[in-house]
Amino acid sequence: DAMVIQNPRYQVTQFGKPVTLSCSQTLNHNVMYWYQQKSSQAPKLLFHYYDKDFNNEADTPDNFQSRRPNTSFCFLDIRSPGLGDAAMYLCATSSEGWVDGYTFGSGTRLTVV
Amino acid sequence: AQTVTQSQPEMSVQEAETVTLSCTYDTSESDYYLFWYKQPPSRQMILVIRQEAYKQQNATENRFSVNFQKAAKSFSLKISDSQLGDAAMYFCAYRSTQGGSEKLVFGKGTKLTVNP
Repeated sequence: DAMVIQNPRYQVTQFGKPVTLSCSQTLNHNVMYWYQQKSSQAPKLLFHYYDKDFNNEADTPDNFQSRRPNTSFCFLDIRSPGLGDAAMYLCATSSEGWVDGYTFGSGTRLTVV
Repeated sequence: AQTVTQSQPEMSVQEAETVTLSCTYDTSESDYYLFWYKQPPSRQMILVIRQEAYKQQNATENRFSVNFQKAAKSFSLKISDSQLGDAAMYFCAYRSTQGGSEKLVFGKGTKLTVNP
């Protein structure tokens, strides 16, 4: 089945130690999104790729970076994780002109110790 | 900027009963899409139903229906004949085209418990 896969499901990292979360898709969607979801808060868009064009949200901290080497894969890099970065990170995809919303991955739960 | 408000952090319903989840939003746009997403515990978020703002008719999907009041900027979700599998977080979302990028703006969610 076509889907969006996030790895790992759970990630524990040390304070200040760089960490990378990955997302892959078999839907051939040209848009990929990264959302941060903290407990009892709305998912917050960090950035998205429209094909290879990177679009950063104005309030996304510089600590967060992203890479999209090809259509299928997208990575979220946190250069120096702080305790406040502990959250669920959601990857989603959509196709140009979409009307049916996003297809989401299952998310990666990041814990910072 | 668009905002989405879900005023009910938690709701509960008895199995087979009907429950309505509330959502309001703020926008200056005239054309947009609204969505309800369901996020079961430890599982991915899935689309429940969507509504085009230019359509007056309320969307329905089997046991799920919406009450879309454009003038009031209200978009509630009604779940009929609730089932145990409906237990989840429900997020209301607005599709923004602001800034030339199509993105979803989410509310904080409503946790729905279904009691047997």
